[in-house]
Amino acid sequence: QVQLQESGPGHVKPSETLSLTCVVSGGFFTNAYWWSWVRQPPGKGLEWIGEIFHSGSTNYNPSLESRLTISVDKSNNQFSLNLTSMTAADTAVYYCARLCSGTSCPHYGLDVWGQGTTVIVAS
Amino acid sequence: QSALTQPASVSGSPGQSITISCTGTNTDIGAFSYVSWYHQYPGQAPKLLIYGVTKRPSGVPDRFSGSKSGNLASLTISGLQSEDEATYFCKSYTTRNTWAFGGGTKLTVL
Repeated sequence: QVQLQESGPGHVKPSETLSLTCVVSGGFFTNAYWWSWVRQPPGKGLEWIGEIFHSGSTNYNPSLESRLTISVDKSNNQFSLNLTSMTAADTAVYYCARLCSGTSCPHYGLDVWGQGTTVIVAS
Repeated sequence: QSALTQPASVSGSPGQSITISCTGTNTDIGAFSYVSWYHQYPGQAPKLLIYGVTKRPSGVPDRFSGSKSGNLASLTISGLQSEDEATYFCKSYTTRNTWAFGGGTKLTVL
């Protein structure tokens, strides 16, 4: 049973960089998945942040692209998010999730999610 | 503002059927059959209900069904149960190689 677990600071100051890591356990980094980040501001809906493939290819939300880097560390079964120049508008629960791109899993569905980590941006 | 439009709320009584709409454009829902649906209970992570417009992952009851016509995707829940009370989100691939979520629909079971 694959599990995802986010880790990172619960609080960052405005203009600082947010760094989050998602550890994948119970499974392997294969080329059947895109590893994704999704966030949810308090009381609001879901926002897709971006994704990274096993090969390192990435797709980013255009509204965040200039501040965003997603990377993968296959040797440690984890992937990470860096978001620079944080503002209060970036306050949210950040989720990592697995997007299936193969045929033996729910194709293009986010089928495994982490529990989410709350990030508050305040001075 | 979300790229996909959902009603803010819907309601129904136990045993009834309800449908949640998700309206996009010809650059997302209308262009691909990669629509998925999720539900989310307060304080929990979302859970996948429907993928590929109509398919259910293992373990999701067949009371949940999805469909698409043009730029409009829909999730229907039949035989409504109290545990279906949650917030529902649609998601679609887009022509910009990105994913877009709907704003979410809060389902109330009366």
